[in-house]
Amino acid sequence: GESVGLHLPTLSVQEGDNSIINCAYSNSASDYFIWYKQESGKGPQFIIDIRSNMDKRQGQRVTVLLNKTVKHLSLQIAATQPGDSAVYFCADPATGGGNKLTFGTGTQLKVEL
Amino acid sequence: SAVISQKPSRDICQRGTSLTIQCQVDSQVTMMFWYRQQPGQSLTLIATANQGSEATYESGFVIDKFPISRPNLTFSTLTVSNMSPEDSSIYLCSVADGGTYEQYFGPGTRLTVT
Repeated sequence: GESVGLHLPTLSVQEGDNSIINCAYSNSASDYFIWYKQESGKGPQFIIDIRSNMDKRQGQRVTVLLNKTVKHLSLQIAATQPGDSAVYFCADPATGGGNKLTFGTGTQLKVEL
Repeated sequence: SAVISQKPSRDICQRGTSLTIQCQVDSQVTMMFWYRQQPGQSLTLIATANQGSEATYESGFVIDKFPISRPNLTFSTLTVSNMSPEDSSIYLCSVADGGTYEQYFGPGTRLTVT
């Protein structure tokens, strides 16, 4: 899983532009990944998941890309809206199993009007 | 997805005291977890709450400091004991079914220790 950083990286985008949020993982055995969105004052909310037998998965306005070769995944948000402003986390099963998840550092997305 | 509530939503406590946080789910779930989220940081798993048995704690977390109960498949409590300012965090519970990694989170309890 990812190490926990002390500072949240920030991505600022203009409303209507596309956003790309990146995540690197270290556990080469991970076969499942989840993206969560956490708005201020709320718990994380499930957005989309992807299994390692896929390179791409699309949802409503969101696309997740998985590159297993370099152990990298990205979350793309099309036509970013003010309501997309939040912290975004990737997560994958923790070493040791038990349905536990390890969360990435997180990225703060700020949508500018 | 399950609807999860937590009580209290926030609290300000004095050092040396204890606070018990409740997590209630609107349906029976296999697995329940407790996380800590320190200001501006990611989520760190404290423990897995096991129904009818002792919780399973992650490295760095101990039962004496974070006792957990799970009397049934819809309810769990986390106690933060002998609090210090370093315990100021958001505490989140989450739930999952046994056949999936997908977890659903409660709204969190924002704890400030003075």
